[in-house]
Amino acid sequence: AQRVTQPEKLLSVFKGAPVELKCNYSYSGSPELFWYVQYSRQRLQLLLRHISRESIKGFTADLNKGETSFHLKKPFAQEEDSAMYYCAPLGRNQGGKLIFGQGTELSVKP
Amino acid sequence: GAVVSQHPSRVICKSGTSVKIECRSLDFQATTMFWYRQFPKQSLMLMATSNEGSKATYEQGVEKDKFLINHASLTLSTLTVTSAHPEDSSFYICSARGGTGEQYFGPGTRLTVT
Repeated sequence: AQRVTQPEKLLSVFKGAPVELKCNYSYSGSPELFWYVQYSRQRLQLLLRHISRESIKGFTADLNKGETSFHLKKPFAQEEDSAMYYCAPLGRNQGGKLIFGQGTELSVKP
Repeated sequence: GAVVSQHPSRVICKSGTSVKIECRSLDFQATTMFWYRQFPKQSLMLMATSNEGSKATYEQGVEKDKFLINHASLTLSTLTVTSAHPEDSSFYICSARGGTGEQYFGPGTRLTVT
């Protein structure tokens, strides 16, 4: 069965600390992986996708096919990073259907 | 950038009535749109895939007669919650798939059924 797991419901760090939001997936084939972010009172928006290999707002994510993981990392968290983060695999031939993980709330304290 | 709008942003209705929510892609055409439901402090749950000019595809456990979806044009999909009940109260979010495969999300509609 297709499954995505974000084990941490809440991650609380202090400003300037490194942060890693975990995502593990179980999907047939080779899915494309996305991270979406939802800031307070704002709509969901794309943060990054694994095929682009970009660093957005200081965040990076490496796809580890062996471990089927796509953890999101940032070396120095900022208060404005506080938000809900969702990992979402996109299966091939799924018609663009995204299945979201449970989400991790990141809280960056001053 | 690609923008998706939803209307209304919030609606309160009485139990037993029907409510229609619109999802529009404002500056791009979307052959595929998606409808999600989000409960407080929870993730988005995919309800259905809306394809322009054809029937929607519903996820397991979602009642298609309860949640009617119409995708009449390349920029508009509508979700009608029929005979709404208090348990249908939720945050409904749509997304539209752009040409690169990326999904763009609407701001959501808060439905409260009294």
